[in-house]
Formats: sequence, C-alpha cells, structure tokens
Amino acid sequence: TQLLEQSPQFLSIQEGENLTVYCNSSSVFSSLQWYRQEPGEGPVLLVTVVTGGEVKKLKRLTFQFGDARKDSSLHITAAQPGDTGLYLCAGDQSNTGKLIFGQGTTLQVKP
Amino acid sequence: GAVVSQHPSWVICKSGTSVKIECRSLDFQATTMFWYRQFPKQSLMLMATSNEGSKATYEQGVEKDKFLINHASLTLSTLTVTSAHPEDSSFYICSARTPTASNEKLFFGSGTQLSVL
Repeated sequence: TQLLEQSPQFLSIQEGENLTVYCNSSSVFSSLQWYRQEPGEGPVLLVTVVTGGEVKKLKRLTFQFGDARKDSSLHITAAQPGDTGLYLCAGDQSNTGKLIFGQGTTLQVKP
Repeated sequence: GAVVSQHPSWVICKSGTSVKIECRSLDFQATTMFWYRQFPKQSLMLMATSNEGSKATYEQGVEKDKFLINHASLTLSTLTVTSAHPEDSSFYICSARTPTASNEKLFFGSGTQLSVL
C-alpha cells in the first residue's frame, strides 16, 4: 500500500501548456516537500509546505498544501522544455526528516 | 547552503563482493542520516535511518545483515552492501538532517549508482 499516492506518473505535454501534479494520502503530514530529480543525481528540494491551506509560488510553479495536511499539488504554468524531469512529493509524518516519497511524476515538455 | 557529499558516484562490482558507500555532511553535524534506494523509473524507498552512535533503524523488508549501516561520527554514515547480487543493482541516495527543528534543513547526497555483475 502506497502511503502517498502521486499522479499522474507520466505526463507528456507541449510547451506552453499548464499542468497539475497531485499527491494524496489518508495520513496527516507535519510537512510535505516537493523535489525535482535529474537522472543520476539526487533530488533537489523545490519547496516545503507545513501549514494546512498554505500556497507557495516559485516562478511558474505553485504549490498547495491541503487544509487537512493530507494532500498537496504542484501546478506549473506555461510549461517549458526546461521543466522536463522527475517530480517527487515527499511527506514527513513526525517532523523527523524521515520522508515517505510518492511514486514520482515523469514530465516531458515538448518544444 | 549545507552540502552532503556521497561517494562513490558509481561503482561496478562482481557478484558476491561487498561495496561501501559513504555519506558525509560537509559543513554541519548530522545526528541523523537516511538511506534510500531507487530503482530505474521508480521513486525513492527509505531503507533505514542512521543514528550517530547507535544502531540504525531499518524499514520493513530491508535486511539489516545485508545492508550494514555505520554512523560512527556526526559527519559520516556508511552503507555497506554485503555479498552483493545483481538484484542489488540500484541507485542509493543518502540524506542528512541539520540539528534544527525545521524540516527545511534536510539535504540529499548526489547518489551512488551500484551495478552488480
């Protein structure tokens, strides 16, 4: 059983389109993080959300934490080929740094 | 920002041999480090929590005798894959947590690609 369900797992879109990635769980998290990972490298932190209902923006990326702190979304506006990569959500249930990762979303943005 | 160094970046070994992977926090002391494994096109799966000066805590299904973890100092944790077999081939990643209350102070190494022939 996957504790953190991430969807979609694969997404191929044209440059300029918008997209949303979702992470859902029946469990509450003290915080949730979004990462981007390139092949052969470790994940790089994009954002951490800790407060229910919190919205954070990072240029064309908008991150939202659900009111109940059980789910989160990543929205990318006007996707560019440089956004291509693996996006991972990860939740920390007990504020220990021990992360549970979602399955990941492989995004391909075609020029 | 804080840096976590992982070494080696990649390693090829023969079946039956043991391989040691190092994870170092370069500019901070990490009382806790985490080891993850990632198979191709899959997400990261937590293997164990490495605690400085005490035994590691392994996740369910991870063989502690096969994946030996040693956290002998506040800046170094090692993962030794003993008697490696082809099915152990994977991307191994560590993370280290700075001694603050904030979850934002968590840093990942660059990973080690292990290929067992």
